[in-house]
Amino acid sequence: DTTVKQNPRYKLARVGKPVNLICSQTMNHDTMYWYQKKPNQAPKLLLFYYDKILNREADTFEKFQSSRPNNSFCSLYIGSAGLEYSAMYLCASRLWDYEQYFGPGTRLTVL
Amino acid sequence: QQKVQQSPESLIVPEGGMASLNCTFSDRNSQYFWWYRQHSGEGPKALMSIFSNGDKKEGRFTAHLNKASLYVSLHIKDSQPSDSALYFCAVTPPSSNTDKVVFGTGTRLQVSP
Repeated sequence: DTTVKQNPRYKLARVGKPVNLICSQTMNHDTMYWYQKKPNQAPKLLLFYYDKILNREADTFEKFQSSRPNNSFCSLYIGSAGLEYSAMYLCASRLWDYEQYFGPGTRLTVL
Repeated sequence: QQKVQQSPESLIVPEGGMASLNCTFSDRNSQYFWWYRQHSGEGPKALMSIFSNGDKKEGRFTAHLNKASLYVSLHIKDSQPSDSALYFCAVTPPSSNTDKVVFGTGTRLQVSP
C-alpha cells in the first residue's frame, strides 16, 4: 500500500482557534513532510520529521508545531489560526532519497 | 536559497501533440531533479526523476537535464487528455541537505481532445 492518508479532507476553523491535522502512512518511510499550498504558489515546506527529529523552516518556526508519536503518524498543529492560514496542507513521506509520496491534502478554511 | 522557476504557467496542446515544460534552478550543485504531476483532487505524484546531464526517457515522457545551464525540462509525446494536470518541477539541494526538496510553482497542462 503506497498511500498516504490525511484527515480531515476539509477543515473549517475560526480565527484564533487551534487546528490539528493528521497524516498517516504504512510504508515505513523514515521522513514525513508538511507543505502549505496556496493557489498559484509552489508547495511551501513547513517542517519535516526525519525519524524522530523535527526540522522546522525558519520563517514558519513559530506558526506550526508537529508531533510524530510513531513511524506511521504525523500531525500538524496550529495554535491560533489566522486568515492567512487558509490553504491546502499536503503531507508527504519518503524513504531515503527516493520520491515523496503525497496525501490528497486537507483544505483548511479559516473564517 | 535555492530558487526554482517553471514556465510556462499554463499550456494547451492538442491531443496527440507534444507538450514541453521548462524549469530553471539556481544552484549548480543541486543533486536530484523530479517531475511531479497533480491531478485535480489528488496529491502530487512523482512522474520521473533525472540525476545526470542528458536525456532520460520513460514511455511517452522524456526529461532533459543541463546542470551547467541550470535547466531541466519535461517533454510529453503523444499527449492524452489524461495528461491534463498541474506539473511541478522539484529540486534536491546539494548533499548537505538532501531531506529538503524545493518545488516550482507549476505548469498547468491542458490537453484538448
